[in-house]
Amino acid sequence: SQQGEEDPQALSIQEGENATMNCSYKTSINNLQWYRQNSGRGLVHLILIRSNEREKHSGRLRVTLDTSKKSSSLLITASRAADTASYFCATRSGYTGANSKLTFGKGITLSVRP
Amino acid sequence: AAGVIQSPRHLIKEKRETATLKCYPIPRHDTVYWYQQGPGQDPQFLISFYEKMQSDKGSIPDRFSAQQFSDYHSELNMSSLELGDSALYFCASGIRFENIQYFGAGTRLSVL
Repeated sequence: SQQGEEDPQALSIQEGENATMNCSYKTSINNLQWYRQNSGRGLVHLILIRSNEREKHSGRLRVTLDTSKKSSSLLITASRAADTASYFCATRSGYTGANSKLTFGKGITLSVRP
Repeated sequence: AAGVIQSPRHLIKEKRETATLKCYPIPRHDTVYWYQQGPGQDPQFLISFYEKMQSDKGSIPDRFSAQQFSDYHSELNMSSLELGDSALYFCASGIRFENIQYFGAGTRLSVL
């Protein structure tokens, strides 16, 4: 995928540490979302940030968006072993109600060591 | 709460065979999306339907077709299967004017 490139591709941390995952994209967006995928399973929506927002919080998640740099970051604080999964950013370009497909970036594999 | 149901969960086919994947969206969701995720790859959008009409088309091969029925369930039909079609196929549903898509557990297709 050319949209939503995550950086790094794999991240290994100790339980209790914070995990930061970055994503860049190339086109104008309506919103950017982060999804989580446990191995070979379905994707679960985590958090959404709109193009006119700069920061959003949800529990231990914090997402930032810099539209001038076309980049986003997802911070997971106080990580747990259960956070081990792949994380994808996905962008939606259409305006509300129009073609609403998501364009996913390559996933970041997060491993949280107990 | 009801989730998106996909069937079958696993499917094994031979080259040149056909396959039909089914998706039952969350009740009252008006939009269905199909995505393909190859091994170690990100999900790629294939096609979507809004109120039973095709609304957007992505990188879906001509060998594939899809439709949404009057009860809102959707089927992805794949013919002349190739080894490269082996992947996880996800269906997601949502409400068109909202932003979140709810994904099913996926169908893992293996083409031998």
